Amino acid sequence: QKEVEQNSGPLSVPEGAIASLNCTYSDRGSQSFFWYRQYSGKSPELIMSIYSNGDKEDGRFTAQLNKASQYVSLLIRDSQPSDSATYLCAVREGAQKLVFGQGTRLTINP
Amino acid sequence: ETGVTQSPTHLIKTRGQQVTLRCSSQSGHNTVSWYQQALGQGPQFIFQYYREEENGRGNFPPRFSGLQFPNYSSELNVNALELDDSALYLCASSFSIGLGEQYFGPGTRLTVT
Repeated sequence: QKEVEQNSGPLSVPEGAIASLNCTYSDRGSQSFFWYRQYSGKSPELIMSIYSNGDKEDGRFTAQLNKASQYVSLLIRDSQPSDSATYLCAVREGAQKLVFGQGTRLTINP
Repeated sequence: ETGVTQSPTHLIKTRGQQVTLRCSSQSGHNTVSWYQQALGQGPQFIFQYYREEENGRGNFPPRFSGLQFPNYSSELNVNALELDDSALYLCASSFSIGLGEQYFGPGTRLTVT
């Protein structure tokens, strides 16, 4: 079983600041990476996918991938209280499954 | 475009019973994956169905089984329920195997007493 590691948090960030979420993975051959947001009691919601080294921006969200270091991160700019959730990093293994980290709980403080 | 739907929303069963969970994939998606998410953990892959065939299985015992129908909807069946089966069961659909993103339904919360 390939591994995906995340700091479980909680990570506390003041409103308006940048939240930085990190994830490392064990399979050097991995090609596809995803960030999901999960509110308490709800299902995961896809917010970003990234397949190539470098940065990918979508609104206030930026995903960063460094395959050499086996590291993927998510930056949330201008953090809002509504961003408070658990953020799950997922890596596709083979053609079938996603392997998830345990998630980082993020709290944005007004 | 219709998203992924799951039923029922919540379910309470007794140890030893059997349960069937249902999932309808997003419009245009032919691949369905099932995940189990225990409290405080990330989702764990159970299996995936593509064109009505199981296409990959995670580390779950045979009492976890599934089906996919011609309209790409899917069922997850769990026999001989155990207390540790209590979890959120998530269905995710994708455009095709190995391609694109997986989108989750709202989940079924199963409680085994």
